[in-house]
Amino acid sequence: DTGVSQDPRHKITKRGQNVTFRCDPISEHNRLYWYRQTLGQGPEFLTYFQNEAQLEKSRLLSDRFSAERPKGSFSTLEIQRTEQGDSAMYLCASSPRGEYEQYFGPGTRLTVT
Amino acid sequence: EDQVTQSPEALRLQEGESSSLNCSYTVSGLRGLFWYRQDPGKGPEFLFTLYSAGEEKEKERLKATLTKKESFLHITAPKPEDSATYLCAVQASTGNQFYFGTGTSLTVIP
Repeated sequence: DTGVSQDPRHKITKRGQNVTFRCDPISEHNRLYWYRQTLGQGPEFLTYFQNEAQLEKSRLLSDRFSAERPKGSFSTLEIQRTEQGDSAMYLCASSPRGEYEQYFGPGTRLTVT
Repeated sequence: EDQVTQSPEALRLQEGESSSLNCSYTVSGLRGLFWYRQDPGKGPEFLFTLYSAGEEKEKERLKATLTKKESFLHITAPKPEDSATYLCAVQASTGNQFYFGTGTSLTVIP
């Protein structure tokens, strides 16, 4: 399977703990996006990478959220001091060079108790 | 402010009963409008990209059209396997963000 992969698929954590998610985009896709989606809503943009450079972050994104994409391949999204409001599906998507359509991974479902 | 509104929120169709889903958008210069299908518990699946008014794209029973203010996803003779949430998204020519609507939940009854 050469699609976007995400790990873990599910994460349950206690409030106040830190969590990290990983995304492996489709090979040779240079653009990578992170989204958050809650029930009944569309995906909400979090951040965007072109190769290894983080070019855009949502103005609504808390300082507790940080993302990296070292070497322009896989990416990680870390949430520090999790809150119950962080419970959501976290989606990663990648786009090929020169194109704008996004290919999404299966998501990581986070539950904060 | 860039935004996307989809209607209806939910739609129930009998198998074979054709209908249309609407996506209205406000964006400061459209780079592209995108349609996705999302099944429960899964990530969105890319369907179509539309770039300019008058453009149309087709795939099996689905046809997407675009005007300067809205897009329609026409579903012809739907089957139960077409049941899913259909999401619309826009990207402005001035940025990298994608703005998604809240989706239309389609149920096709056998």
